[in-house]
Amino acid sequence: NAGVTQTPKFRVLKTGQSMTLLCAQDMNHEYMYWYRQDPGMGLRLIHYSVGEGTTAKGEVPDGYNVSRLKKQNFLLGLESAAPSQTSVYFCASSYPGSPLHFGNGTRLTVT
Amino acid sequence: DQQVKQNSPSLSVQEGRISILNCDYTNSMFDYFLWYKKYPAEGPTFLISISSIKDKNEDGRFTVFLNKSAKHLSLHIVPSQPGDSAVYFCAASRFRNSGNTPLVFGKGTRLSVIA
Repeated sequence: NAGVTQTPKFRVLKTGQSMTLLCAQDMNHEYMYWYRQDPGMGLRLIHYSVGEGTTAKGEVPDGYNVSRLKKQNFLLGLESAAPSQTSVYFCASSYPGSPLHFGNGTRLTVT
Repeated sequence: DQQVKQNSPSLSVQEGRISILNCDYTNSMFDYFLWYKKYPAEGPTFLISISSIKDKNEDGRFTVFLNKSAKHLSLHIVPSQPGDSAVYFCAASRFRNSGNTPLVFGKGTRLSVIA
């Protein structure tokens, strides 16, 4: 039982490049989330999903897209990376009404 | 506009003493509050929660107090241990994480427990 798995763990991109962050959960959770953590800013919600095939915007969605084609996976895409997207990205999942379970994060640097 | 505020970026406490971490919120519709703990290079892990129908919830060394009229909650750790050194995030939501109201997190407080 791996919980929430994020890949990759680290990535360096050049400005303008694109990439996809992968999140997989094996707990059969309905809800999945992408947060970013920046120094002094706490955890801010990017996008989330309340079920397969559904997505919604969070607090800081600009520059990101997401897809939830399968219940266990939630993908976060950066179409044209910018230095402001340098951050640590956390994926989380949960049942309705239960606490979030987080992955160990992806550290992304955009140069 | 920050809905969940942790005004102390850091806190140092001696081992064995009480640690008190504070959190304020502005949205009166929040009815479910949680504390998460985060070690470096790891994801946040759930610590303890409280519903707005209670004013106290206890789990071992950890107790969370909720003062709805003041829109304030606090986490007490007694006794504090060096392994408690971490960043603590306060979080809040409406309707117990219904999905349409995701958790809103504070900026975190870094707790250092000194042996």
